[in-house]
Amino acid sequence: AQTVTQSQPEMSVQEAETVTLSCTYDTSESDYYLFWYKQPPSRQMILVIRQEAYKQQNATENRFSVNFQKAAKSFSLKISDSQLGDAAMYFCAYRSGNTNAGKSTFGDGTTLTVKP
Amino acid sequence: NAGVTQTPKFRILKIGQSMTLQCAQDMNHNYMYWYRQDPGMGLKLIYYSVGAGITDKGEVPNGYNVSRSTTEDFPLRLELAAPSQTSVYFCASSYGGARQGSDEQYFGPGTRLTVT
Repeated sequence: AQTVTQSQPEMSVQEAETVTLSCTYDTSESDYYLFWYKQPPSRQMILVIRQEAYKQQNATENRFSVNFQKAAKSFSLKISDSQLGDAAMYFCAYRSGNTNAGKSTFGDGTTLTVKP
Repeated sequence: NAGVTQTPKFRILKIGQSMTLQCAQDMNHNYMYWYRQDPGMGLKLIYYSVGAGITDKGEVPNGYNVSRSTTEDFPLRLELAAPSQTSVYFCASSYGGARQGSDEQYFGPGTRLTVT
């Protein structure tokens, strides 16, 4: 079974600064995908960024980027120029590829506070 | 498009009662999922479906049942409710194309269930 570990229950960052959220995972599969989701106080889950394991290039979406280290099974999220609206709980998630694609594993989350 | 809808938003059950949580999507997605989120924790997969008539267990299926008779609907049935089932329940869907695991999951707003 796959596991996802987020070792930072809480993080804080000053507005306009940069913060990195950590995620490690364990799997024996070769075909998989990794995601970061954001959950604001409204509880709505929102996709932030995704990474295909077969791609070496790190994914980037505007102010959000990842550092994907496949051999180390590490998948950290960097938020640049932090904004007040970035305050939320962030979840790292793993999904198997193809025949097991229905199965997702989420970490326990990191609560991000953004200070004005 | 309404996306993924869930009813009810809130429910209080007595121990031993049963209920069905409704979930519907209007995006013609093949894959649908049920998760539960306990306070301060990540999402745990209960059941998922890769198409009408096909369902499979996730990480925490005990005490729950599902069915998928149409592409749009994926109800979750709780039999003999127990306090351990107090949680927030999220339904989600994804397209399930050629590289199924890469698809974004779209989440409903959640149902907060309390069993006392």
